[in-house]
Amino acid sequence: DIVMTQTPLSSPVTLGQSASISCRSSQSLVHSDGNTYLSWLQQRPGQPPTLLIYKISNRLSGVPDRFSGSGAGTDFTLKIGRVGGEDVGIYYCMQATQWPWTFGQGTKVEIK
Amino acid sequence: EVHLVESGGDLVQPGGSLRLSCAASGFTFSNYGMNWVRQAPGKGLECVSYISSSSSIIYYADSVKGRFTISRDNAKNSLYLQMNSLRAEDTAVYYCTRGRDVVYWGQGTLVTVSS
Repeated sequence: DIVMTQTPLSSPVTLGQSASISCRSSQSLVHSDGNTYLSWLQQRPGQPPTLLIYKISNRLSGVPDRFSGSGAGTDFTLKIGRVGGEDVGIYYCMQATQWPWTFGQGTKVEIK
Repeated sequence: EVHLVESGGDLVQPGGSLRLSCAASGFTFSNYGMNWVRQAPGKGLECVSYISSSSSIIYYADSVKGRFTISRDNAKNSLYLQMNSLRAEDTAVYYCTRGRDVVYWGQGTLVTVSS
């Protein structure tokens, strides 16, 4: 199985400041079809996960442009600019390049 | 607007069975692979099964292989998960999600396995 490792696991952020979450995979996530199936999800307290970004850097329609994804191969990053109270929650990276699709452990973003 | 609505979760004894359903709307269901993803209380996310758009490709996590069966009915825009020989560790909220990009998620249905 591909292991997804997120850092940090906890990220206290001052309102209005930015946050960055790293996700590293144990194998390359480049699929034979040329796509890299790396997604970022947000889970607010008591809510189901929602997709923010897919295929490394594609923001889902309606997701604020404060959220951006980057990376390639085995190293990926989610950046949240100007963190607001609505951004509190757990953020997961997920790979769907090779079965079983696997998730990172989650990074808890909270306000200082 | 896309909607995924799960149902069928319940309290069941160890060794029992349940069938989960996911009703999809707002998109052409037959064009997309679908997943079941679960989340145990206070824990992370685990994808337990995937089925391709035509049901020709089916995957299971090792933790459920031989006990769970995924299926779909494209005419009814519905996804299913038959869960047999349930164990305490299967206790979780089960979500249906669309495609490899998991663009859309339902609200989930809670399965509790306990005596």
